[in-house]
Amino acid sequence: NAGVMQNPRHLVRRRGQEARLRCSPMKGHSHVYWYRQLPEEGLKFMVYLQKENIIDESGMPKERFSAEFPKEGPSILRIQQVVRGDSAAYFCASSPRGGPSSYNSPLHFGNGTRLTVT
Amino acid sequence: DAKTTQPTSMDCAEGRAANLPCNHSTISGNEYVYWYRQIHSQGPQYIIHGLKNNETNEMASLIITEDRKSSTLILPHATLRDTAVYYCIVTSGGSNYKLTFGKGTLLTVNP
Repeated sequence: NAGVMQNPRHLVRRRGQEARLRCSPMKGHSHVYWYRQLPEEGLKFMVYLQKENIIDESGMPKERFSAEFPKEGPSILRIQQVVRGDSAAYFCASSPRGGPSSYNSPLHFGNGTRLTVT
Repeated sequence: DAKTTQPTSMDCAEGRAANLPCNHSTISGNEYVYWYRQIHSQGPQYIIHGLKNNETNEMASLIITEDRKSSTLILPHATLRDTAVYYCIVTSGGSNYKLTFGKGTLLTVNP
């Protein structure tokens, strides 16, 4: 079984460019989560999506960041006009269930995309 | 979510059991204890979770004290590939996707 697939593994962008990070969840998983790990810090929750819906975006920065999980295709985390402070590892996770019934549905993480802004 | 306290680092000899402690004295009745680990340059890997009963799976055992204020993750026969940062996370069932990763315990398994 393929795990959570993220690409690219490494992404270099210049300040002001756009970054697009892709995540394909595990087969059969319809809930996707994005986390960010800044250098020397722990992972922090950003956003939770189900197919075509944003369920919880309380961890997303208010500007420049957006996420989607279309009916077909991978989930996309988009960062517009990147700045040096966006340099981090971005991890995607998926689960087969979410919400209040999710206690027996732990998250399965991908190996992340390491974004470097020059 | 309740806060957790873990030792910064631990060492273990290969083949021996690794016992990783975690304090969560402010845990509330509906909060679960989850354990994840992160091997260098990889994403976090789910290990095990529990509410109040001890749990065991193919990777590890989780022992939760009767008052639920602390727990221990046991890797029964540690290998070099178990070297990683281990995170103990407490979260309520309804929002178990909002995991708070602290600094964790760096477990180093030595040959």
